[in-house]
Amino acid sequence: DVKVTQSSRYLVKRTGEKVFLECVQDMDHENMFWYRQDPGLGLRLIYFSYDVKMKEKGDIPEGYSVSREKKERFSLILESASTNQTSMYLCASSFNDRDSYQPQHFGDGTRLSIL
Amino acid sequence: AQTVTQSQPEMSVQEAETVTLSCTYDTSESDYYLFWYKQPPSRQMILVIRQEAYKQQNATENRFSVNFQKAAKSFSLKISDSQLGDAAMYFCAYRSGQGAQKLVFGQGTRLTINP
Repeated sequence: DVKVTQSSRYLVKRTGEKVFLECVQDMDHENMFWYRQDPGLGLRLIYFSYDVKMKEKGDIPEGYSVSREKKERFSLILESASTNQTSMYLCASSFNDRDSYQPQHFGDGTRLSIL
Repeated sequence: AQTVTQSQPEMSVQEAETVTLSCTYDTSESDYYLFWYKQPPSRQMILVIRQEAYKQQNATENRFSVNFQKAAKSFSLKISDSQLGDAAMYFCAYRSGQGAQKLVFGQGTRLTINP
């Protein structure tokens, strides 16, 4: 069974802090994604990665960066946390499509509060 | 850019009744996938059903079925014989059939099941 593990279920940080959200998958997936979930806005893509050390901006990358040094781990970094980054963060991973569609598997989310 | 719209922030239904959740999308692509995801209070995103755009036949999964109207760019979810465990946030999502495998989500519909 696919397991996507996010390091924290709840996290409280202060404005200006550098924040790391970690995501690990155990299925050797090439693709990994970070989404942000806000009420009334659904999930929005922040960054994704299709290989080690590769990254692509999503729809709302401002204020965030990512790191993928190993295939199984994808980190989301808030360089200087601000209150408008208080949100739920969801990580997902998937294989590349080959002959058929490959689904995304999601972690349980990290609810981040910036005070 | 593709967009997905869910115009019903909240819906409720009596247990054992049928409910339909609405979703419209906008794209200029011809090759794509559409999804309904369920997010219960546990936060785990669960794939409910998938539709490939090239398939004319509507997808079904047990009590869940879709009404896919490609020309109208409409993709509604019908839940038959609603059960208490169906209570959740439901998200409609779009994925291009080419290129990056990122998902574009709608705003979500919160479904309440009344006993």
